[in-house]
Amino acid sequence: AQKVTQAQTEISVVEKEDVTLDCVYETRDTTYYLFWYKQPPSGELVFLIRRNSFDEQNEISGRYSWNFQKSTSSFNFTITASQVVDSAVYFCALAGTGGFKTIFGAGTRLFVKA
Amino acid sequence: DTGVSQDPRHKITKRGQNVTFRCDPISEHNRLYWYRQTLGQGPEFLTYFQNEAQLEKSRLLSDRFSAERPKGSFSTLEIQRTEQGDSAMYLCASSSITDRGTQETQYFGPGTRLLVL
Repeated sequence: AQKVTQAQTEISVVEKEDVTLDCVYETRDTTYYLFWYKQPPSGELVFLIRRNSFDEQNEISGRYSWNFQKSTSSFNFTITASQVVDSAVYFCALAGTGGFKTIFGAGTRLFVKA
Repeated sequence: DTGVSQDPRHKITKRGQNVTFRCDPISEHNRLYWYRQTLGQGPEFLTYFQNEAQLEKSRLLSDRFSAERPKGSFSTLEIQRTEQGDSAMYLCASSSITDRGTQETQYFGPGTRLLVL
């Protein structure tokens, strides 16, 4: 069975702080895909990143960075110098081979205070 | 705007009524998905289409739910005899499968928020 666990339900930080959102996954597939989505108050899920299981390189995009570690089945997301506009619910997700069904974690709600 | 669109954005209905939602995917995408999201949870997979064929249905999709994608473009999700437990956000997503058969990223629409009174 596939599962995604986001242990942090809510995180509150002050603007300009760095924050890391944790994601742990379970799958028996040898090929799989990991995603992060952002859901602002408007409700639309916004795609942030996709990572294939055979590519463990970490990635940085502006203030966002992702740390993928197969050894610990984790795919953590760090926001550097957080901003109020980063306030949203962030979902980690997993898709197995064939990838049609994406399993989402319960989400982490991030509050960034000015 | 070339993103995924959904209509209506909000729907309030009385228990026992039927409702129908529409999703228009990104035009070049051949896969279309429906998810349901309840408060405080992540989206849960309901069903998906590749072109016009419905290839997978979740056990969450009871007999009162039916989805169609008649021409392989837009899709509809109908809920018959709605129940209060059907109140949720219904999300549509689309993606494109590559020639190698690998999954591409699913892009989501804004959702239809359903409230059953």
